[in-house]
Amino acid sequence: NAGVTQTPKFQVLKTGQSMTLQCAQDMNHEYMSWYRQDPGMGLRLIHYSVGAGITDQGEVPNGYNVSRSTTEDFPLRLLSAAPSQTSVYFCASSNRAGGINEQFFGPGTRLTVL
Amino acid sequence: GQQVMQIPQYQHVQEGEDFTTYCNSSTTLSNIQWYKQRPGGHPVFLIQLVKSGEVKKQKRLTFQFGEAKKNSSLHITATQTTDVGTYFCAGPKDSNYQLIWGAGTKLIIKP
Repeated sequence: NAGVTQTPKFQVLKTGQSMTLQCAQDMNHEYMSWYRQDPGMGLRLIHYSVGAGITDQGEVPNGYNVSRSTTEDFPLRLLSAAPSQTSVYFCASSNRAGGINEQFFGPGTRLTVL
Repeated sequence: GQQVMQIPQYQHVQEGEDFTTYCNSSTTLSNIQWYKQRPGGHPVFLIQLVKSGEVKKQKRLTFQFGEAKKNSSLHITATQTTDVGTYFCAGPKDSNYQLIWGAGTKLIIKP
């Protein structure tokens, strides 16, 4: 099992560019989520999904879109990158029996927006 | 809105000393989870506490969940260099499908 994989590991964008961060898991988890982590802060939830075809907003959704066409994949799209989106992005998955359980994280994408 | 506060932000200890981090929620939690993140790494799940007053141990790590299910602590006995990292607590939001995270406590071992 590869667990949760994310690509790319590093990315530099110019203001206004768009891009998609990829996330995939091979554990058949229904629940997937995207977080951003900024220095000195905990993780903040961007978007989450409780199953294929179902997505919802988290704490900081502005400037990001998601889709969930399959159980395995949960891409995060930055529509028009801004310097404030410079951060480390983590994708996570878990089973959702009874709520949110142990989260399995990917290795992260380190994004810089110039 | 619902908040999870974690203190201290940093703790410097000599190797062999103990370490404690505290987590306080503004609301009652159905459960609380603890994670460890090594420098440059991703968060890794340590444990989930569900019951009021629950205490669980993992070798030198002791986790407690308060009676009111609004606070929790992680205590490490006799720290080792392998314990270095940031420890986070997280609890579910009312909707139960969103986790609210503390800001983390960074454990630093003094040389």
